[in-house]
Amino acid sequence: EAQVTQNPRYLITVTGKKLTVTCSQNMNHEYMSWYRQDPGLGLRQIYYSMNVEVTDKGDVPEGYKVSRKEKRNFPLILESPSPNQTSLYFCASHKAGARGAAQYFGPGTRLLVL
Amino acid sequence: DAKTTQPNSMESNEEEPVHLPCNHSTISGTDYIHWYRQLPSQGPEYVIHGLTSNVNNRMASLAIAEDRKSSTLILHRATLRDAAVYYCILRGAFYNQGGKLIFGQGTELSVKP
Repeated sequence: EAQVTQNPRYLITVTGKKLTVTCSQNMNHEYMSWYRQDPGLGLRQIYYSMNVEVTDKGDVPEGYKVSRKEKRNFPLILESPSPNQTSLYFCASHKAGARGAAQYFGPGTRLLVL
Repeated sequence: DAKTTQPNSMESNEEEPVHLPCNHSTISGTDYIHWYRQLPSQGPEYVIHGLTSNVNNRMASLAIAEDRKSSTLILHRATLRDAAVYYCILRGAFYNQGGKLIFGQGTELSVKP
């Protein structure tokens, strides 16, 4: 089954404690993105990657890092989480080469930073 | 990026058709019209997309106005599982920011049994 998986699904942590949210897709997609969703602000792109070792900032990259060492994985790293990073996070992937390409989203990771 | 305008909410009865409108008066000639939906506690899900002609798939139909300034997502028989927020999104000619999707507020569809 074609899917994007994220782990963990729920996470409670404390300010400053480094954490990683994993994202994996099994569709051999070139493009992957991270979004965060906040009430009243909708979904906003954090980082994106167009292929292995190619990443760039989205609209709200501050406080986040990413890496793309393998095509299927795109982890989101919070080196020193702060309460304003409490949010619902989604990973997405899609195939390159067509503006009509459907984007596939993971189930989300709900993060609470105390 | 061109903007879209959707009603904040709509109601439907189960097993009746639903027409979800979207206005995009500043659409450019190369923008695709995409629809996604987000069910409660889930990630967004692709529904359908089109450029100029009406489109059908197993989930829905997309009717695009002749001048392309508006479109309508049609669910032919709404079920309780169709209750979700529906987003109308324009995708431009180039992969701006890796194909970033710009989600507006969407239309929250409720379905009554």
